[in-house]
Amino acid sequence: DTAVSQTPKYLVTQMGNDKSIKCEQNLGHDTMYWYKQDSKKFLKIMFSYNNKELIINETVPNRFSPKSPDKAHLNLHINSLELGDSAVYFCASSPRQGAAEKLFFGSGTQLSVL
Amino acid sequence: QKEVEQDPGPLSVPEGAIVSLNCTYSNSAFQYFMWYRQYSRKGPELLMYTYSSGNKEDGRFTAQVDKSSKYISLFIRDSQPSDSATYLCATLYNQGGKLIFGQGTELSVKP
Repeated sequence: DTAVSQTPKYLVTQMGNDKSIKCEQNLGHDTMYWYKQDSKKFLKIMFSYNNKELIINETVPNRFSPKSPDKAHLNLHINSLELGDSAVYFCASSPRQGAAEKLFFGSGTQLSVL
Repeated sequence: QKEVEQDPGPLSVPEGAIVSLNCTYSNSAFQYFMWYRQYSRKGPELLMYTYSSGNKEDGRFTAQVDKSSKYISLFIRDSQPSDSATYLCATLYNQGGKLIFGQGTELSVKP
């Protein structure tokens, strides 16, 4: 049973396209996150949601729009993809907003924009 | 200056060696300090976390925090080839849930 699962694992697309990444957690956690890891392995937070409510929006371009239909799901939609969006995107969850030291990560979505 | 600095390596050691991984941070308000391990093509997994200064031990792993010098360390005793991974240090920025990561150190343990 995968605790935090995200799909797809790999995403190859052309510049200008719109794509979505889906994430689900079965841990019963209240808080979910999106992180971006660049080619130098630098991992940076993009968004966090607590019980479907946006908590952190880390100056991410508004081409990126997260959506949380319920507290077990957090999807990421990206409009007008650019070359610089190529990275690995990780979904994560924690038991509650104040327990971010106990993050559980998914296995990542490798996005390649051509 | 990045808020959390970590030497990216790579670091290569023989099996059985003691490994020392280190990070420095800039903000004295940070209170929680974490170490994550990331295998190739996998998500990071939490190894250890500590609150404030001091040592914490878990099997072959020891995490150490020195808040006076803003220095955090992870020691791995009797290193194994299965320890080969990227190790990421992280600190927690207030209670809002924003983790700030170091760049990660790539470790290779040779049999």
